[in-house]
Amino acid sequence: AQSVTQLGSHVSVSEGALVLLRCNYSSSVPPYLFWYVQYPNQGLQLLLKYTSAATLVKGINGFEAEFKKSETSFHLTKPSAHMSDAAEYFCAVSEMTGANSKLTFGKGITLSVRP
Amino acid sequence: GAVVSQHPSRVICKSGTSVKIECRSLDFQATTMFWYRQFPKQSLMLMATSNEGSKATYEQGVEKDKFLINHASLTLSTLTVTSAHPEDSSFYICSAPPRGRMKGYTFGSGTRLTVV
Repeated sequence: AQSVTQLGSHVSVSEGALVLLRCNYSSSVPPYLFWYVQYPNQGLQLLLKYTSAATLVKGINGFEAEFKKSETSFHLTKPSAHMSDAAEYFCAVSEMTGANSKLTFGKGITLSVRP
Repeated sequence: GAVVSQHPSRVICKSGTSVKIECRSLDFQATTMFWYRQFPKQSLMLMATSNEGSKATYEQGVEKDKFLINHASLTLSTLTVTSAHPEDSSFYICSAPPRGRMKGYTFGSGTRLTVV
């Protein structure tokens, strides 16, 4: 069984500050991990994904995440927050065992950026 | 890249009526489609998986007779909310699985359903 834990529901940072959104996963097989961003009343946009290649994954909009197997973590970071980063962020895991591999989402974290 | 077109984007319906949501894969064939539901300020919960040529697989607790899922062709999957009630108001999103190990999931843009 697979699961994702995103601790906390809301993170607030100042513009220009470091963004750190935490994600821990559980998977019975080597996982594929994803971070998505969702703006109000919109669908999901893929920020980045880990598919067993490099453990440090760079995504769009300056975001990156590091896969740490020993810690079962895949935390999302961005060195300097921008006002436009304010949104809902979801971490997700898949075991990718075929076409029917469902994606399991964490409960999401709301990121607020203060001027 | 792969695109899933989801319609309608917003729909308001009266209690007791049925609403159909369509997801079409525009430039690829999708033998499988995942259907998610998202309540305000909450995560996406998988409702069911549609499969072309066979019955949909529903997650535990999802009413099959209320949420009818049909995978009519390799490019079309539909979700019909039957006899809708206000508690069915939610954001519904479809997603096609990756078409290779290095690919990602392709999401529709979502449907905001409001039942009044």
